[in-house]
Amino acid sequence: AQKITQTQPGMFVQEKEAVTLDCTYDTSDPSYGLFWYKQPSSGEMIFLIYQGSYDQQNATEGRYSLNFQKARKSANLVISASQLGDSAMYFCAMREGLNNAGNMLTFGGGTRLMVKP
Amino acid sequence: NAGVMQNPRHLVRRRGQEARLRCSPMKGHSHVYWYRQLPEEGLKFMVYLQKENIIDESGMPKERFSAEFPKEGPSILRIQQVVRGDSAAYFCASSPGTGIIEQYFGPGTRLTVT
Repeated sequence: AQKITQTQPGMFVQEKEAVTLDCTYDTSDPSYGLFWYKQPSSGEMIFLIYQGSYDQQNATEGRYSLNFQKARKSANLVISASQLGDSAMYFCAMREGLNNAGNMLTFGGGTRLMVKP
Repeated sequence: NAGVMQNPRHLVRRRGQEARLRCSPMKGHSHVYWYRQLPEEGLKFMVYLQKENIIDESGMPKERFSAEFPKEGPSILRIQQVVRGDSAAYFCASSPGTGIIEQYFGPGTRLTVT
């Protein structure tokens, strides 16, 4: 079974509107972290936001917020007030076993976001 | 503090040649991870190393691929006798280690096998 599922291969959003990128995950480990990365056309991986499984509140970083629904095992990324520069691939990732140093990240297949002017 | 450095950024090899990809972690980071990204896919874990030790190589193909992180110098991902299917972006990430959640990614090396 896929550990990280991103069901939207591509999405369009109008500039200045908000957009939600979906991510569901599968783990039996009670201690895990969820990450979102942005990959622009230049190819680098840019860290956006992190949510720990024990965090009580949803994470926010500027225009990015993470809608964490633990019971549903979903960790959707919300981008408010979209900008043209937000056009990129977005990857959701999970790290299990946070108490163990060095566990790897597992990535979803990504969502390509295109912002329309 | 310089970020994670990878070189070369682009590498072209003919089938059968060897490819060497280098990764210098951030200063003070002793944990290195290598990931591979095939076209239009997400990143897939390959190997996790600490200085002079391979900790987890569960994502590494059994043949032709090897990795090292010597006491001095960068981590090296080596691909022998490259084939067209090895064409991908290879990312290195580093972390200080225990208790730190985030992995910091380098810019990647794009390998093209002709």
